[in-house]
Amino acid sequence: GENVEQHPSTLSVQEGDSAVIKCTYSDSASNYFPWYKQELGKGPQLIIDIRSNVGEKKDQRIAVTLNKTAKHFSLHITETQPEDSAVYFCAASNGFGNEKLTFGTGTRLTIIP
Amino acid sequence: ETGVTQTPRHLVMGMTNKKSLKCEQHLGHNAMYWYKQSAKKPLELMFVYNFKEQTENNSVPSRFSPECPNSSHLFLHLHTLQPEDSALYLCASSQVGGSGYNEQFFGPGTRLTVL
Repeated sequence: GENVEQHPSTLSVQEGDSAVIKCTYSDSASNYFPWYKQELGKGPQLIIDIRSNVGEKKDQRIAVTLNKTAKHFSLHITETQPEDSAVYFCAASNGFGNEKLTFGTGTRLTIIP
Repeated sequence: ETGVTQTPRHLVMGMTNKKSLKCEQHLGHNAMYWYKQSAKKPLELMFVYNFKEQTENNSVPSRFSPECPNSSHLFLHLHTLQPEDSALYLCASSQVGGSGYNEQFFGPGTRLTVL
């Protein structure tokens, strides 16, 4: 089955700086890679996703890159703000009707004002 | 709000109690999921229901019993739980098929404490 590894487990960044979280996956058939943000007391919320037919996707201050050859993908947050403090999870799935998402272990991001 | 609601938000129960968790999705999705979230572990998929039919049981102990009466509602019935079952239980829903990509939407979770 799929295995997703996520690093780092904790990350502290000065407000205004960039943050990068990296994930690797094992199943070369995986083709859908979402990122979730979980704030205290809430469930995970989808913030961005990427599909295997593109190498990069951007949405305002967040971007995700995918390297299918190396089987890794990364989340980039620029101009970080205090509200970016949360736990971030990456996941991978072999789409096209497959209901299963395999999640990484999460990264606790703290933005230092 | 994600369109997925869960009740109760917090639950404390003894090992001999029987309780149920409820999830409702207002998104018109055809698949629903139960996950267990424990500290410092990845989200653990417990059950998947697709069009009300259970398609995944991830080796979950029988003290957890899911029920999906229709595609909008999902229950998790709990009985004779153990302290190690204390965790955040998350419900999610998605539309399987169509575009072929599984965008899952999560509820806020039920924080369960087993004494």
